[in-house]
Amino acid sequence: GAGVSQTPSNKVTEKGKYVELRCDPISGHTALYWYRQSLGQGPEFLIYFQGTGAADDSGLPNDRFFAVRPEGSVSTLKIQRTERGDSAVYLCASTADPRGGTGELFFGEGSRLTVL
Amino acid sequence: GQSLEQPSEVTAVEGAIVQINCTYQTSGFYGLSWYQQHDGGAPTFLSYNALDGLEETGRFSSFLSRSDSYGYLLLQELQMKDSASYFCAVPDTGRRALTFGSGTRLQVQP
Repeated sequence: GAGVSQTPSNKVTEKGKYVELRCDPISGHTALYWYRQSLGQGPEFLIYFQGTGAADDSGLPNDRFFAVRPEGSVSTLKIQRTERGDSAVYLCASTADPRGGTGELFFGEGSRLTVL
Repeated sequence: GQSLEQPSEVTAVEGAIVQINCTYQTSGFYGLSWYQQHDGGAPTFLSYNALDGLEETGRFSSFLSRSDSYGYLLLQELQMKDSASYFCAVPDTGRRALTFGSGTRLQVQP
């Protein structure tokens, strides 16, 4: 597809379980971001990849959150020992050059995580 | 760090003009962006201002005053489909990630 693809679109899990969320960015985009959005709030930065490496993971809330991008394309956000407070929409975005032009981010529609 | 303030909600009628304000505090300034998000949808880019003044794109315009750390999004000839949340955003000091405001929910009424 032409846009950023995220799966699953919805995930319901129980407290304490492990969750993986996947992001397939726009082809050729080297920069990839994960954001978290709670109801009525703006997207909150979690982590930024440039190629395969995590260039900035300062937004990850704690060590239960981890993300990888092993081949510089698809990324997976991993959440261990989920808590009810982790319930949110997890957004992925990509761009060709964050420092060039408008720095426009292309977002996916998100993965809605509900922790019961 | 960065912080942005915008009104939580704005209501307007179809065909009218509405202005959504945004004030920001940043340690370095690299431009102000605006994004639109419909309920359940992805945020989509609307505009970007790096320099002072007005940028026009169809029915939408965006304004920036760097001396006042202030910008606004102007929507003209409002349509029902413009009902959405609108976010202002600024890049971090490394110009890598965006920090978003908490959003303004626009309700367009018939």
